[in-house]
Amino acid sequence: QKEVEQDPGPLSVPEGAIVSLNCTYSNSAFQYFMWYRQYSRKGPELLMYTYSSGNKEDGRFTAQVDKSSKYISLFIRDSQPSDSATYLCASTSGGSYIPTFGRGTSLIVHP
Amino acid sequence: GAVVSQHPSWVICKSGTSVKIECRSLDFQATTMFWYRQFPKQSLMLMATSNEGSKATYEQGVEKDKFLINHASLTLSTLTVTSAHPEDSSFYICSALDRSTDTQYFGPGTRLTVL
Repeated sequence: QKEVEQDPGPLSVPEGAIVSLNCTYSNSAFQYFMWYRQYSRKGPELLMYTYSSGNKEDGRFTAQVDKSSKYISLFIRDSQPSDSATYLCASTSGGSYIPTFGRGTSLIVHP
Repeated sequence: GAVVSQHPSWVICKSGTSVKIECRSLDFQATTMFWYRQFPKQSLMLMATSNEGSKATYEQGVEKDKFLINHASLTLSTLTVTSAHPEDSSFYICSALDRSTDTQYFGPGTRLTVL
């Protein structure tokens, strides 16, 4: 079992929809949780960063972590075609700078 | 955010040749850089950790003699794929650690195709 599991998709939604992207993880030592956005043929870009359980909101994006169920979510409100990309979740334990990545979910927002 | 560049952005080479990829942190000093490889529809896999002025630390299964890493300055790390073969074709991404913010910034990646 991979330490971070993520459905690769693709997930196709109409413009304006609320998108829910999810990951599960198995390592109880993970404390930091990140979401990266990766456009085709580009490197990942850090979107959101949370520590331990809880919610964090940034504009149209909300990251949610439930450590009791080892579940990580990213919600995108009012999705736009420019949000079309691959979204990777990642986690690290305390003291490690090296994230363990999920394989990414491909999101397509069509006009 | 901080900027990390990679050069070249893509390269095609013949089997058996060597290819060098550069990773630069443009507006901060990075004592630590990382090299990842990403196959299509797969997650990023860490290949090695590059530390300025010392030897790189390779992940299990990554051949250090095949993937040579040099981190000669605080803003530059290079990855050389020696005697490249078609199975080395992949997307190579570097990242640089900004210790002032404890944030890892990724480069735009280099697509290597070995014929």
